[in-house]
Amino acid sequence: AQSVSQHNHHVILSEAASLELGCNYSYGGTVNLFWYVQYPGQHLQLLLKYFSGDPLVKGIKGFEAEFIKSKFSFNLRKPSVQWSDTAEYFCAVISYGNNRLAFGKGNQVVVIP
Amino acid sequence: GAGVSQSPSNKVTEKGKDVELRCDPISGHTALYWYRQSLGQGLEFLIYFQGNSAPDKSGLPSDRFSAERTGGSVSTLTIQRTQQEDSAVYLCASSDGTRYEQYFGPGTRLTVT
Repeated sequence: AQSVSQHNHHVILSEAASLELGCNYSYGGTVNLFWYVQYPGQHLQLLLKYFSGDPLVKGIKGFEAEFIKSKFSFNLRKPSVQWSDTAEYFCAVISYGNNRLAFGKGNQVVVIP
Repeated sequence: GAGVSQSPSNKVTEKGKDVELRCDPISGHTALYWYRQSLGQGLEFLIYFQGNSAPDKSGLPSDRFSAERTGGSVSTLTIQRTQQEDSAVYLCASSDGTRYEQYFGPGTRLTVT
């Protein structure tokens, strides 16, 4: 079964600091990878996705993620965070031919003004 | 266009009662998913519908849980004889069936007292 690991569940940063959230998955076949974000009081929104091609993907609001197949990783980055980036971030994986997203436990990110 | 909608947004029920949760997917989306988000468990897959195919029920935690999808659109998740451990946010998502990108609704927060 596919599983997803996210570390450092709670992250506190100051504005303008850089953010990197780790995501590792356990599945050896073809996967599609996602980062979802849940802002306070809002529903899950897609931040970015990787299906194939360039392993460095750009998402909304200045976020990017890099797929490293050899490390089974899909880490999320943002060079300079803003207060409005305070949210919970979930990494998710779906393997080829599967029907379900497997989610990590999430990272609660708090950005201090 | 309109996103995934769910109702009710909040539901408080007494232990032992039955509840029904409703999901309206994005128009034209053939695939519909139910997930559960609870403290300590993260986001868990429950059930998946794709067109007229038999649903994938492998994520349902017990036989008290059931779901149906009428006319290939609206879906209802039913929990019979609710228990306190059923308290969670129940999320519905839909996709166009050809890609793995899922769009989530706002969820129904279920509290069993």
